[in-house]
Formats: sequence, C-alpha cells, structure tokens
Amino acid sequence: AQKVTQAQTEISVVEKEDVTLDCVYETRDTTYYLFWYKQPPSGELVFLIRRNSFDEQNEISGRYSWNFQKSTSSFNFTITASQVVDSAVYFCALSEARSSGSARQLTFGSGTQLTVLP
Amino acid sequence: KAGVTQTPRYLIKTRGQQVTLSCSPISGHRSVSWYQQTPGQGLQFLFEYFSETQRNKGNFPGRFSGRQFSNSRSEMNVSTLELGDSALYLCASSLGQVGDYGYTFGSGTRLTVV
Repeated sequence: AQKVTQAQTEISVVEKEDVTLDCVYETRDTTYYLFWYKQPPSGELVFLIRRNSFDEQNEISGRYSWNFQKSTSSFNFTITASQVVDSAVYFCALSEARSSGSARQLTFGSGTQLTVLP
Repeated sequence: KAGVTQTPRYLIKTRGQQVTLSCSPISGHRSVSWYQQTPGQGLQFLFEYFSETQRNKGNFPGRFSGRQFSNSRSEMNVSTLELGDSALYLCASSLGQVGDYGYTFGSGTRLTVV
C-alpha cells in the first residue's frame, strides 16, 4: 500500500531563513509520481511540482527547490530566503502508475504547517 | 481561463439531513475527483469520475455518492449527515489520470454538521 509521511507537523522560521520540508514515501510500484501542494488559509490546494519516479534530477524554481532521492524514498522541499507569504500548509502526495484505481488518486501526507515570522 | 468552481463555499446542515455539493471543472477537463479534508484524517480520496463514469472510489460509506454530467460538472451527495462529516470538501479536475496531468483544485466547500 502507498503511504506518505511528513514527520514535521509545524515549522516556524524567521523571514529570510531557509527551510526544508521533509517527505518520505512508500510504494511497491517502480513507476509513480510525486507532488507538492501548498494550502494557504483560503483552503485551495495550489500545485507546486510534479515529478515522476524516473526523473531524479533536482529542480529549482525561483526560491523553491526539490531534492528527490529514490535510495531513501524521499522528496524534500526547500524554500530559500523564506517570506511571510510562504506561510501555509504544505502537502506531499503520491500517485502510483498502475492502471488500477490507485493510479487515479493522490495519497497525501499529513501536511506541514509552515509559519514565517517577520 | 476559469479555474475549478465549487459551490457553495460554506454550508451548515443538521445531523440527519442530506447535502449536495457542486463542482465545475476547468473547461476541457473530463476527470473530476473529490477529496475530504478533516483535522483528524487529513486529505482522503472520495471518488473520481471520468466522462460520466465513476472510475475509482475511496473507502467511504455508501452515504457518500457522486455523479458527473455530460458537461463534466460533478456533484457529490452525502445522505443522513453525521457530525463527523464536517469537513472541507475539495474538488479537483484533470485532463486525465492525476499522475500524467496533475490536478487543479477548487477552493472547496466547508460543510459544518450541527
């Protein structure tokens, strides 16, 4: 069965600090997809990144970067020079690539509440 | 282009009543999925519809049902409401399977059962 673990429930940093959000996943599939979503207080889940299991290259998008390591089943997310607007709940999620039902849904971690203080 | 629209945004119902939530996906998206978010259980998958057919269903009781119309709009229905059904219900639309295309989520409907 697939599972996503975000061990950090809450993180608080001061503006301009770097912060890393951890995500560890479990799956028996060799082909799968990993996602990060941001949920601000408004409630909408905002897509940040999608990565398939064959692409282990790290990715950087502005102040955001992602470190995907299959050897440790981790897909960590780093925000560089954090800003107050980054305050939100961040979710890591997994979708398996099989043709059955698990390919058509996301399994989410429990989320990490990030608070960036001015 | 317009995003995913969920109506209503907020709803208060009494235990035992039933409720219908609506979701209009992004134009051209034929897949609509529903998720329930609660503080205790987190985000849990309810069901997914594609071209009016339910393709996948999560582990929820039969009181939770849904449907999709020919224009891809979807509704979910919860009958005989219980206090534990209080949650944020999120709808997500996609061109196809989430792994291939990802989801775009709506802002959700916050249901309170009293």
